[in-house]
Amino acid sequence: NAGVMQNPRHLVRRRGQEARLRCSPMKGHSHVYWYRQLPEEGLKFMVYLQKENIIDESGMPKERFSAEFPKEGPSILRIQQVVRGDSAAYFCASSPKGLGLEQYFGPGTRLTVT
Amino acid sequence: DQQVKQNSPSLSVQEGRISILNCDYTNSMFDYFLWYKKYPAEGPTFLISISSIKDKNEDGRFTVFLNKSAKHLSLHIVPSQPGDSAVYFCAPWVVGIKAAGNKLTFGGGTRVLVKP
Repeated sequence: NAGVMQNPRHLVRRRGQEARLRCSPMKGHSHVYWYRQLPEEGLKFMVYLQKENIIDESGMPKERFSAEFPKEGPSILRIQQVVRGDSAAYFCASSPKGLGLEQYFGPGTRLTVT
Repeated sequence: DQQVKQNSPSLSVQEGRISILNCDYTNSMFDYFLWYKKYPAEGPTFLISISSIKDKNEDGRFTVFLNKSAKHLSLHIVPSQPGDSAVYFCAPWVVGIKAAGNKLTFGGGTRVLVKP
């Protein structure tokens, strides 16, 4: 049973470009969470999605950031017009029932904006 | 809004000795407290948790203590091993509020270095 998959593992974008981060949850998991870790900080919650629904996006910046979890395929975190402050590690977690106790994390995508 | 604080950013300990990691919180609504371990270039992995109705939970070399009146918890690792060298995050969680209850709130982490 494969764990949570994230790709790419490393992504370099120039300022103003778009970044697309993908997350494939563990088999049987229909709940996905995205967290961001800035350098020397803890992980900060961004968004919680179930299939085709955004449940909680209270941690998501209001502009340039969007997330989706379609019926088929991976969850996508999209950052438009990236800025240097977006450079961070982005982690995806999945769970079978939407419980905090059962979140399994992927290896993360490290985004570098030049 | 720092609901969770890990005031020691780093800790160095000799192999075989005890590592004590601390975590303070402000929100009395937290129902569970989770500890995650994170190696470089990997995602966090769940280590141990404690319910707010308990004051101690033990799992092998790892024990977590909770002092609700002080809003403080600690993770003890004994004996510490070189493989324990990692960053440890305290992550409280609230049960029952449909949307808000599913996200984890992470402390800033404590980097542990266990010297052979």
